Amino acid sequence: GAVVSQHPSWVICKSGTSVKIECRSLDFQATTMFWYRQFPKQSLMLMATSNEGSKATYEQGVEKDKFLINHASLTLSTLTVTSAHPEDSSFYICSASLDARGEQFFGPGTRLTVL
Amino acid sequence: DAKTTQPPSMDCAEGRAANLPCNHSTISGNEYVYWYRQIHSQGPQYIIHGLKNNETNEMASLIITEDRKSSTLILPHATLRDTAVYYCIVRVANYGGSQGNLIFGKGTKLSVKP
Repeated sequence: GAVVSQHPSWVICKSGTSVKIECRSLDFQATTMFWYRQFPKQSLMLMATSNEGSKATYEQGVEKDKFLINHASLTLSTLTVTSAHPEDSSFYICSASLDARGEQFFGPGTRLTVL
Repeated sequence: DAKTTQPPSMDCAEGRAANLPCNHSTISGNEYVYWYRQIHSQGPQYIIHGLKNNETNEMASLIITEDRKSSTLILPHATLRDTAVYYCIVRVANYGGSQGNLIFGKGTKLSVKP
């Protein structure tokens, strides 16, 4: 199956700093990438959808100025959590889609802890 | 909101078949049934999907009722490594706009016991 990686796998930062998370499709070109957030003992919630070369589409309630998404190439999307606060601590997961087949292939996730 | 309902948890003995049910009574004609699973602290893993015919791959089998209002995911010989949360999702397969988004419900927590 298609492989998606994320970096870093975990990160601890101080309140007020910004954190960048990378999502890469390793063996295929992903026109569309998705970013999810998962709080403890809860399900995944879609944050935004990004298409290569265009602006991301954010779900209702997700602040686009706080969660900056860049999808500059067919193999890389980044999520930057700006001015992070403890309530942003969560498990962030990306996925990439093969349009022709329709499945989303997920990365391993990034655990963010904001102190 | 998720368009599926699943039992919150199930147990299965190692080596036995695990049968995970899912109700999707409002499924539309152009929506597929997808199954993913999430092992603790990992990203979800695609398992299988189908439209109306039963499907089988190296991981599992998917049985969809004739009226398509429910389905069952079958793990034929469950192992301890199959312990995970299993998500049943209905989705338009030909992705275009928000219709193709995956909406995760709470899933079924499957515990495979020795």
